[in-house]
Amino acid sequence: SYVLTQPPSVSVAPGKTARVICGGNNIEGKSVHWYQQKPGQAPVLVIYYDSDRPSGIPERFSGSNSGNTATLTISRVEAGDEADYYCQVWDSSSDHVVFGGGTTLTVL
Amino acid sequence: EVQLVESGGTLVQPGRSLRLSCEASGFNFDDYAMHWVRQAPGKGLEWVSGISWNSGSIGYADSVKGRVTISRDNAKNSLYLQMNSLRGEDTALYFCAKARSGSRGIDGFDIWGQGTVVSVSS
Repeated sequence: SYVLTQPPSVSVAPGKTARVICGGNNIEGKSVHWYQQKPGQAPVLVIYYDSDRPSGIPERFSGSNSGNTATLTISRVEAGDEADYYCQVWDSSSDHVVFGGGTTLTVL
Repeated sequence: EVQLVESGGTLVQPGRSLRLSCEASGFNFDDYAMHWVRQAPGKGLEWVSGISWNSGSIGYADSVKGRVTISRDNAKNSLYLQMNSLRGEDTALYFCAKARSGSRGIDGFDIWGQGTVVSVSS
């Protein structure tokens, strides 16, 4: 089955840019969605279809997808961005929804 | 207000059954696919099952296939998950989530409930 690989953790200083990567075989051929989950809360969709932003999500959040890597980019990082971030795709071959293992973003 | 509220989670013995429910409000429930996603304590998100707007397309994760049945009642704005032969590894917080479209495949999940806890233990 299709596997999405994320680094367990990423650290960034406030005001800098954080990049969370999501690796998968030819992932550019799939639509990637990204979720933010803060402790004790439900996930929130922050990027869909690789790079679209739901209403209410700050423009600081952006996404891209190329080759074998999709990337969630958070510009001008704030303390409130500290959370777990998950990528997700639908694998048509297995007809399964697949989540990455998640990346914990720490704001230094 | 757009809202999903799960219920039915509890402590249950291995091998027993449980039915989870998710009540939707604030949107046209019968226009959208719905999914169940679980999260074991301290772990990541795991997709469990999804159902299209008209129940015409249904999918299950390999880890639950044959033990779980997803269903929906559009007249009651409700989603269900019947879980049988429960195992310790089914212990998790179970979220219901709304897809952005009626298809259960390609779209992301834009609305999530707060979850209901299932604990499987003797």
